[in-house]
Amino acid sequence: DAGVTQSPTHLIKTRGQQVTLRCSPKSGHDTVSWYQQALGQGPQFIFQYYEEEERQRGNFPDRFSGHQFPNYSSELNVNALLLGDSALYLCASSHDIGAPMNTEAFFGQGTRLTVV
Amino acid sequence: AQTVTQSQPEMSVQEAETVTLSCTYDTSESDYYLFWYKQPPSRQMILVIRQEAYKQQNATENRFSVNFQKAAKSFSLKISDSQLGDAAMYFCAYRSARYRDDKIIFGKGTRLHILP
Repeated sequence: DAGVTQSPTHLIKTRGQQVTLRCSPKSGHDTVSWYQQALGQGPQFIFQYYEEEERQRGNFPDRFSGHQFPNYSSELNVNALLLGDSALYLCASSHDIGAPMNTEAFFGQGTRLTVV
Repeated sequence: AQTVTQSQPEMSVQEAETVTLSCTYDTSESDYYLFWYKQPPSRQMILVIRQEAYKQQNATENRFSVNFQKAAKSFSLKISDSQLGDAAMYFCAYRSARYRDDKIIFGKGTRLHILP
């Protein structure tokens, strides 16, 4: 079992550009959440995808958008990059069992995005 | 809104000794879940221990145990017989028990150093 895989591992972009980060969930998982972890901070929830739709969203601007594909993999897109978008972006997957407290959320190793 | 506070940015402990990491949280909900996650230099967030708020008994996982004080909204982590591999960032986290409110709210973390 490969667990949650994210690509790329590192990325450098210029202010104003757009970026796409990718996440493949753990086998058997159908729910994908994205988090932003700024340096020296805890992760902050961006949004969650289930059944190819955004189910829940944190306090992030519309520049942050996402997508989930039929195979449950997901993309995070950030437009008009700002220096403040530099962070570690973590993806977490879980399985919706139709009841509170789904299976444990498993995290990937993240994508380190640097905006210059 | 729920918040999680970790007041110890860094801690150090001698190998084989015991250390306690502190965490307080704020919520108006009566049912929720609390977690401690470990983030080593590999960046992957690893679940250490989980506590359901409706359970009075403190959770234990091998050398890791918690002291859950619901009235005081306190949730500390005790690591016994500290090992070099325990060195990492530790995050206290909260999750609502509301159905499909899956976002995890993290504290800012405590960096734990293990002294040989």
